[in-house]
Amino acid sequence: RKEVEQDPGPFNVPEGATVAFNCTYSNSASQSFFWYRQDCRKEPKLLMSVYSSGNEDGRFTAQLNRASQYISLLIRDSKLSDSATYLCVVSSGNTPLVFGKGTRLSVIA
Amino acid sequence: EPEVTQTPSHQVTQMGQEVILRCVPISNHLYFYWYRQILGQKVEFLVSFYNNEISEKSEIFDDQFSVERPDGSNFTLKIRSTKLEDSAMYFCASSDLPGPEQYFGPGTRLTVT
Repeated sequence: RKEVEQDPGPFNVPEGATVAFNCTYSNSASQSFFWYRQDCRKEPKLLMSVYSSGNEDGRFTAQLNRASQYISLLIRDSKLSDSATYLCVVSSGNTPLVFGKGTRLSVIA
Repeated sequence: EPEVTQTPSHQVTQMGQEVILRCVPISNHLYFYWYRQILGQKVEFLVSFYNNEISEKSEIFDDQFSVERPDGSNFTLKIRSTKLEDSAMYFCASSDLPGPEQYFGPGTRLTVT
């Protein structure tokens, strides 16, 4: 049973495009939700936390639907530098982070 | 900006050998973690450590693994007798509070031949 599921991609989009990633999680007790970004052979870096009310950080918007156990990330006006793997991460309070396998994004000039 | 550091960046070892991976967490952090990522796979939790003892460990973290905070700055992961399947990227992370706001180091790539 996969705890956090993501479409692996790759998503190949032109610069300036809007792209959306989705993620589902199986543990209904999950309390904290995040999107991390991972560049090739590098460490995961926190992109943003995800709140029930939805939150926005510049070109990035994250949404959480607790009833459906579904998280999304929207990237507007894609840049070449957005090319990376985006990891959906959940946690049940003080328990360890549970990572999805990631969705690979390639932004093309 | 303070960061987590890890050494070495790449370690090659023969099957059956012991390896020690080193981490220096952010200085005022109290909670420490090890994760691993096999090439092409997801990041997986190994162990968390607080107040000089293991607070949680996964089923991956068997008797071949151990962690230690030998002094005030280092946090180490030891694999006693490496297997081929231990080949992976090992990430150390730390946080100032328990929970999900964890900061990751750049990782050590372990290759077991």
